[in-house]
Amino acid sequence: DAGVIQSPRHEVTEMGQEVTLRCKLISGHNSLFWYRQTMMRGLELLIYFNNNVPIDDSGMPEDRFSAKMPNASFSTLKIQPSEPRDSAVYFCASSPNSYGYTFGSGTRLTVV
Amino acid sequence: RKEVEQDPGPFNVPEGATVAFNCTYSNSASQSFFWYRQDCRKEPKLLMSVYSSGNEDGRFTAQLNRASQYISLLIRDSKLSDSATYLCVVNAGNQFYFGTGTSLTVIP
Repeated sequence: DAGVIQSPRHEVTEMGQEVTLRCKLISGHNSLFWYRQTMMRGLELLIYFNNNVPIDDSGMPEDRFSAKMPNASFSTLKIQPSEPRDSAVYFCASSPNSYGYTFGSGTRLTVV
Repeated sequence: RKEVEQDPGPFNVPEGATVAFNCTYSNSASQSFFWYRQDCRKEPKLLMSVYSSGNEDGRFTAQLNRASQYISLLIRDSKLSDSATYLCVVNAGNQFYFGTGTSLTVIP
């Protein structure tokens, strides 16, 4: 298994542009989590899905952020419009149950 | 109050030293506990789970104290390659809560 795959690895975009981050889960994992990591706030949970259903999106900063899971193996996190304060590393992680996560390599987003 | 709290460090220790990190959690109903390691500009990776009876994996020992709601990680005979950030993770109600991490640098 290739693990959790995120794309792109790096994204530089101008303020106001739409950004879409992608994540492919490990086969057989039924939970998916989107995190954002910054130096100031560490790892913050944005949203998580269980069996394709969003369970808790209370960490999504504002309406500019949206996440979807159109099937059991794939998810997107969209920011529209993007702002400089959205610059961070965005991690996707999947889990087969409540026992441990596997993280993707992350997407380093810079909004200028 | 944060769900999980850790001393951010940094801890700078000489090679061969023993170093210990502690982490406290606020939810007494927390069910499972982990230590993750994160190298610079990389994703966090599972280092070890923490069991109620304590557990050891080579030079690493993890312990859980439910009464005081803390977990610990002990690293013996530290190596240069142990330099990283160590994240305490607590699972409660199907959610994983991460500490902000403790930075360790092992010095030659």
